[in-house]
Parts: sequence; structure tokens; C-alpha cells
Amino acid sequence: GNSVTQMEGPVTLSEEAFLTINCTYTATGYPSLFWYVQYPGEGLQLLLKATKADDKGSNKGFEATYRKETTSFHLEKGSVQVSDSAVYFCALSYSGAGSYQLTFGKGTKLSVIP
Amino acid sequence: KAGVTQTPRYLIKTRGQQVTLSCSPISGHRSVSWYQQTPGQGLQFLFEYFSETQRNKGNFPGRFSGRQFSNSRSEMNVSTLELGDSALYLCASSQDRGTLAGLQETQYFGPGTRLLVL
Repeated sequence: GNSVTQMEGPVTLSEEAFLTINCTYTATGYPSLFWYVQYPGEGLQLLLKATKADDKGSNKGFEATYRKETTSFHLEKGSVQVSDSAVYFCALSYSGAGSYQLTFGKGTKLSVIP
Repeated sequence: KAGVTQTPRYLIKTRGQQVTLSCSPISGHRSVSWYQQTPGQGLQFLFEYFSETQRNKGNFPGRFSGRQFSNSRSEMNVSTLELGDSALYLCASSQDRGTLAGLQETQYFGPGTRLLVL
């Protein structure tokens, strides 16, 4: 079946450090890939997405590239800020029973300290 | 546009009771999905509704049910509550996930309803 595996953390970084959160997936067909972010007490917000192989999604300094050969969609940011502290979820969208649903990784909690 | 809204935001119930949660999607969105988030199981898909019809259902017992109204608003119901039903219930909407482009569509999430079962 379809699944997403991401490093669970927690990850603690100093401000301005480089961030990588690994995400790999297993899927049949050609899923779309997403990164969502969840701030404390809130729902999920879309951070970025990629819909086909070699696509790069980017937003707010975050980037991720859809790598079909390695089935990966790692999230990176060159210089994190305290305001980036949140839980990050990798997800894939796949077709099932006539509709589409998201399968999520377990989430990675990021804490950025000044 | 207003985002996805969910009511109530917090709820405390006791075992054996039932509960109804409400979700209003973004205007113009016709698909509504529900997810359960717990520390142990993470985010799990419950069901998806489109044009008042349940199109897809996750692996949850029949105590979990839902419906969608003609204005796309959706409700989910959990009967005979168990302690393990304590979770954050998230609703998400998208424009029309039945199209060929549905695989690429973004789902927009509400803030969730936090349910505590005592």
C-alpha cells in the first residue's frame, strides 16, 4: 500500500542553521507530494507541493524536490528562524475508490532556539 | 475568502455518549475530508464527501459516520464514545477532487475540534 516515512525528531536547531527533514514514500502510480506545517493549537497549513517527478516545490525559503528514482521528497531550508518552530508533515495524495486522499508521515517536530 | 471553519473547537464527553462535529468548507469547495490526529497513530483518513455522497472511507469502525449537506457543509458523528476516540479531528476541503486533476489539488485544513473522552 501507500505509505510515507519521515524522520520523527524532535529536531532542535539554532537560529540560522540549515534544516533537512527526510521523507521517503511508497506508492503505486504517480502520487503528488506535499509538506504541511502545524503550529501549536492550529490545523495544518500547506507549505509546498510537487505534482510530478523532478518538480521542486518552494515557499517561504523552504524547498523540496520530487525524486522518483529515490522515492524521496526531503524538506530543506537554508536558514531557519525561531518562527519556523512547528511540526512538519510529509504527505502523498493518491487515488482510492473514486476520490483522492492524503497519507501522512508521523510528523517531525522542529524547535529553533535563538 | 474565509478559510475552513470547524465547530466546536473543544469538546469534553464521557464514554458511551455520542458527539457531532461540524465543518464549513471554503466557499466553492465541494469536497470535504475528515482526518483523526492522535499522538500514537498520527493523522488518519476517516472519510471524504462530495456532492452529499460519501466517496471514500478509511479504516474506522461504523461508530464513525458523516454526512454532507447541499451547501457542502459537513458533519461527522461518533456514537458510543470510547476513551481512544480522544483526538484532534481535522476537516479539509478542496475544490473538486473528482476531476483528473484531483490528485494534484491542495486540501485546505480547518483548525480542528479537540475531543476529550473521559
